[in-house]
Amino acid sequence: KAGVTQTPRYLIKTRGQQVTLSCSPISGHRSVSWYQQTPGQGLQFLFEYFSETQRNKGNFPGRFSGRQFSNSRSEMNVSTLELGDSALYLCASSWGQGNTGELFFGEGSRLTVL
Amino acid sequence: GNSVTQMEGPVTLSEEAFLTINCTYTATGYPSLFWYVQYPGEGLQLLLKATKADDKGSNKGFEATYRKETTSFHLEKGSVQVSDSAVYFCAPKEAAGNKLTFGGGTRVLVKP
Repeated sequence: KAGVTQTPRYLIKTRGQQVTLSCSPISGHRSVSWYQQTPGQGLQFLFEYFSETQRNKGNFPGRFSGRQFSNSRSEMNVSTLELGDSALYLCASSWGQGNTGELFFGEGSRLTVL
Repeated sequence: GNSVTQMEGPVTLSEEAFLTINCTYTATGYPSLFWYVQYPGEGLQLLLKATKADDKGSNKGFEATYRKETTSFHLEKGSVQVSDSAVYFCAPKEAAGNKLTFGGGTRVLVKP
């Protein structure tokens, strides 16, 4: 069974550009969450999608957005990139929304903003 | 929302030593509790979980018990190996949905 797949794995952008990251969840999983990992702030929750609807959102500016498609694949977009957006962006999938279920993480997309 | 206090690292140990990583949390409702591990160059992996009070999660020789009265979920291993060198994250999950709140992570380095 394939795991969570994130693309691209590495990318470099310049300030002011925008970026789109993609996440394919484990087959059958309907929930996708996104996290940002930085050395200074650690792991922070961005948002969660379930059945194409955003169910929860973290404390990030509106430049960060996402969506989920009918096949449960998800994308997140960051517009008007800033240096501080350099981070590892992790996607996690889960079957449902029950609080006991575990999240399965991808290896992440490492974004560098110059 | 939830919050987590996790002991800071790095923690440096010799092989076969006893490891404890403290974790306390604040949460509304009744969260599930997780320990995730991140090995060098890899993504996050679930290490163990506990979903109700007094539950003990265990995996790969690691254990943690859900202590509701002290809101703690300390991670322990009796005899660590070099391969246990990693960053460990404590994370409660809210009663509804899939939002994890991560602690700052504890880097563990096991020397032969």
